[in-house]
Amino acid sequence: EDQVTQSPEALRLQEGESSSLNCSYTVSGLRGLFWYRQDPGKGPEFLFTLYSAGEEKEKERLKATLTKKESFLHITAPKPEDSATYLCAVQGTGGFKTIFGAGTRLFVKA
Amino acid sequence: DAGVTQSPTHLIKTRGQHVTLRCSPISGHKSVSWYQQVLGQGPQFIFQYYEKEERGRGNFPDRFSARQFPNYSSELNVNALLLGDSALYLCASSLNVQETQYFGPGTRLLVL
Repeated sequence: EDQVTQSPEALRLQEGESSSLNCSYTVSGLRGLFWYRQDPGKGPEFLFTLYSAGEEKEKERLKATLTKKESFLHITAPKPEDSATYLCAVQGTGGFKTIFGAGTRLFVKA
Repeated sequence: DAGVTQSPTHLIKTRGQHVTLRCSPISGHKSVSWYQQVLGQGPQFIFQYYEKEERGRGNFPDRFSARQFPNYSSELNVNALLLGDSALYLCASSLNVQETQYFGPGTRLLVL
């Protein structure tokens, strides 16, 4: 069964303190891995789609990487406005479901 | 360009009632998916529709149903509401069934 596990559950950083969020996945053939940002009470905001191991994508202070078993979301020199929940999701080749992890809640203190 | 829109934004119902939630996809997107998100968890897949046909269904009871209209908008219906149905209901649209999904703001449903 397809599964996504995100760690840590919560992460507290000082402004400027770089770190990484982990997404481990099990899927019967990866069609795509997705990262979203979600602010409290709002819908997820799309960040990245990764399709194959070795792929990397960047956007401002965020960089997403993908291996055959996990993905990392690297946050460089975060700012307080980066505080949010970051969600990882996978879609397998075996069906149409998109499976989400529980998310990592990121808090960045000024 | 308008993103995914959902209505209503908030809704309060009592146990046993039914509810209809509505979603309009991004212009040009032909697939709509519905998710349930309870506090502290990631979104859980309910349905996916493409070209008015159901293409996927998650592990939800038959009280949950949906449909997609010729203009690609969609409705999610929930009958015989339970307290546990209280959640944020999210709609996402994509060009087709296996493309990146873009989410709307959600409908917050509270069942008393």
